Amino acid sequence: GENVEQHPSTLSVQEGDSAVIKCTYSDSASNYFPWYKQELGKGPQLIIDIRSNVGEKKDQRIAVTLNKTAKHFSLHITETQPEDSAVYFCAASWGSASKIIFGSGTRLSIRP
Amino acid sequence: GAVVSQHPSRVICKSGTSVKIECRSLDFQATTMFWYRQFPKQSLMLMATSNEGSKATYEQGVEKDKFLINHASLTLSTLTVTSAHPEDSSFYICSAPGGSTDTQYFGPGTRLTVL
Repeated sequence: GENVEQHPSTLSVQEGDSAVIKCTYSDSASNYFPWYKQELGKGPQLIIDIRSNVGEKKDQRIAVTLNKTAKHFSLHITETQPEDSAVYFCAASWGSASKIIFGSGTRLSIRP
Repeated sequence: GAVVSQHPSRVICKSGTSVKIECRSLDFQATTMFWYRQFPKQSLMLMATSNEGSKATYEQGVEKDKFLINHASLTLSTLTVTSAHPEDSSFYICSAPGGSTDTQYFGPGTRLTVL
């Protein structure tokens, strides 16, 4: 089955700096890669996603890149703000309507 | 965007009792829903796929007789934790694909505490 690895487990950056979270997946059949933000005591919230026919996608301060050959995908957050502090999960799936396999999560802290 | 709700948001029960958690898609129909469990400071682990009108599909290691899933309508799936024990205490989250792109929408979660 699919296995998703995520690094780092914790990340602390100065407000205004960029944050990068990296993930790898094992199943070459996976073709949908969402990223979720989870705040304490709440369900995960989709922040951006990318499909395997695209190498990069950007939405304001958030961007995701995908390297299908290497089975790597990354989340980039620029100009970080205090409200970006949360746990971020990468995930992989065989399609957006299929079951989602999550990475282990990254706790992002933004230092004022 | 599409909304998925869960009820209750938190529940405390005694060991040995059963607890039912509801997952509803509020403004779309979902033939499939997914149930996840999340222990403190850990990731979401898929428990089972709930299929409308048919049996649920359980992930390896998840006891189907302990975690009963019923998907009786296109907008409701229920998870019943039977004979709950303290080790079942966790955050249970459901999701459903919806919208034009079948994006997965997650519920707000249910915090279960078994005493």
